[in-house]
Amino acid sequence: DTAVSQTPKYLVTQMGNDKSIKCEQNLGHDTMYWYKQDSKKFLKIMFSYNNKELIINETVPNRFSPKSPDKAHLNLHINSLELGDSAVYFCASSQDHGAGNTIYFGEGSWLTVV
Amino acid sequence: TQLLEQSPQFLSIQEGENLTVYCNSSSVFSSLQWYRQEPGEGPVLLVTVVTGGEVKKLKRLTFQFGDARKDSSLHITAAQPGDTGLYLCAGAGGTSYGKLTFGQGTILTVHP
Repeated sequence: DTAVSQTPKYLVTQMGNDKSIKCEQNLGHDTMYWYKQDSKKFLKIMFSYNNKELIINETVPNRFSPKSPDKAHLNLHINSLELGDSAVYFCASSQDHGAGNTIYFGEGSWLTVV
Repeated sequence: TQLLEQSPQFLSIQEGENLTVYCNSSSVFSSLQWYRQEPGEGPVLLVTVVTGGEVKKLKRLTFQFGDARKDSSLHITAAQPGDTGLYLCAGAGGTSYGKLTFGQGTILTVHP
């Protein structure tokens, strides 16, 4: 069973479109995250939710809107996609939001904006 | 802003060689983690070090946390082609809510 699963794995879309990436974890964790990995493999946190409540919101354009319907799901909606949004987006989860917890990552969603 | 500088960025070696990857910061971290990421997959945790000066071994991999908890190293002995991948260090700060600061990563290629 996949612990953290995200869909779609690959997404190619045109500039200006709106797209969503879905994420689900079956680990019973309280905290979920969205990370962005750029073309140089640099991984940076975007958002973190704990029990459906937003606790980390890094400097991310407001075109990116996370939604957590329950603690097992954290979806990412992106409006008006731009070329610079092309990256790999990783969903992740951890037991809680304490520092040093093991973070379990999904397999990533490869977004290409053309 | 906490920054982690990881070096080298690229490492290409022959099977059987030893290597060390470094992770340095001017900030103190409450813990430091090492992840390995294979192509097409997400990062997977290898180890967490918490105590200054701590050394942890995972088969041929040795991880060390600096005494001041500002730096860490990963040493691989007798590298094998299966060790090929992206290695990431990540630090957790005292005020973070599970927020990890990642280094730039080291792409390791071990040739048979």
